[in-house]
Amino acid sequence: DSGVTQTPKHLITATGQRVTLRCSPRSGDLSVYWYQQSLDQGLQFLIQYYNGEERAKGNILERFSAQQFPDLHSELNLSSLELGDSALYFCASSPSTSYEQYFGPGTRLTVT
Amino acid sequence: ILNVEQSPQSLHVQEGDSTNFTCSFPSSNFYALHWYRWETAKSPEALFVMTLNGDEKKKGRISATLNTKEGYSYLYIKGSQPEDSATYLCASDNYGQNFVFGPGTRLSVLP
Repeated sequence: DSGVTQTPKHLITATGQRVTLRCSPRSGDLSVYWYQQSLDQGLQFLIQYYNGEERAKGNILERFSAQQFPDLHSELNLSSLELGDSALYFCASSPSTSYEQYFGPGTRLTVT
Repeated sequence: ILNVEQSPQSLHVQEGDSTNFTCSFPSSNFYALHWYRWETAKSPEALFVMTLNGDEKKKGRISATLNTKEGYSYLYIKGSQPEDSATYLCASDNYGQNFVFGPGTRLSVLP
């Protein structure tokens, strides 16, 4: 158990809908990262927050957004969902950027 | 988009063998290199983060080296055990192009 929690574990929704994925980092970690793993694709970095501020952006679509709250938990919002958004979404946390990242168990999103 | 490559793609070794894999990454604007171990149906598990040229890190039977000038890192496993079977991922963190993952090396250790 890494100490990073993600909810929900599984999510099934229809195209065009909007969902919110939630991540609670390890106690004391200020940095939160979001990753996507689609079928046939490796891990893709989406976005990083550090102590409430956006720190780095990867291949995140404009339909996706994230935020980190004062209690350091983070949410990833996915809107206008398409079939291709079906993937495993991981959250990870670390004390800061150059430290090891601890991954949560992931949220499996299925868009039908 | 900067490329991170790993070789070999997959590897089968006998229990007790030592093995190593390579991660190649862009050397320009380099910040850090991460290694992860990822077992099927689990989450990636951090092994090492390396930032300095010439860095060597060790955790039990696993060690890694880093060459930032030529853009490569080696991961070594000494005396492989069946529980080492997993996919080993590296990710390059470069200024302006963060956390680009390689495709992974899938290791199978046969008892």
